[in-house]
Amino acid sequence: EVVVTQSPGTLSLSPGDRATLSCRASQSISSSYLAWYQQKPGQAPRLLISGTSNRATGIPDRFSGSGSGTDFILTISRLEPEDFAVYFCQQHGISPPTFGQGTKVEIK
Amino acid sequence: QVLLQESGPGLVKPSQTLSLTCTVSGDSISSGGYYWSWVRQHPGEGLEWIGYIYYRGTTNYNPSLKSRLTISMDASNNHFSLKLRFVTAADTALYYCARGGGYDVLDYWGQGTLVTVSS
Repeated sequence: EVVVTQSPGTLSLSPGDRATLSCRASQSISSSYLAWYQQKPGQAPRLLISGTSNRATGIPDRFSGSGSGTDFILTISRLEPEDFAVYFCQQHGISPPTFGQGTKVEIK
Repeated sequence: QVLLQESGPGLVKPSQTLSLTCTVSGDSISSGGYYWSWVRQHPGEGLEWIGYIYYRGTTNYNPSLKSRLTISMDASNNHFSLKLRFVTAADTALYYCARGGGYDVLDYWGQGTLVTVSS
């Protein structure tokens, strides 16, 4: 199966900062099949981005995704208080779909 | 708006079968053209895709669970179900149902249900 590795494990930032989260796959995947999810404590994951760079409905434009092949990035341009959460990337182009272990964005 | 709700026992004994149901509203699981998945999250850890059932009834399972797993659907009640046999403590997790799977993203999720395997 495709192993997905996220870094860093934890990102300590302040509101207004820029966050850059990395997601690396153990083999090349189509950019059509890389997604990002946000999870807050006690809540289910929420789809943020599909197809590497397409924001889901209602997701603000401070969230952006990029990348190709094995390396993908989620950028939050200016952190808002509600953005402090755990972020997971997922590849779903090669079965079984697999998730990264998550990056926690915490308040510094 | 698509809503999903998991239901089932919160406690299962080792070696027994874990059974969960996901009731869907706002979409038809048998005619909408979607996949319907189960995903689990071990306490404090990441996400593991369990398997899906396609609206036409075909299934695909995570190889790590395939030998113990059955996912089925009940179109008349608009729900789909998971059965995981011979459970151990390693199956203790928060279980989510979601719309999507296969080449589709998981765009709607249930709130999740915690299942503990313990005697």
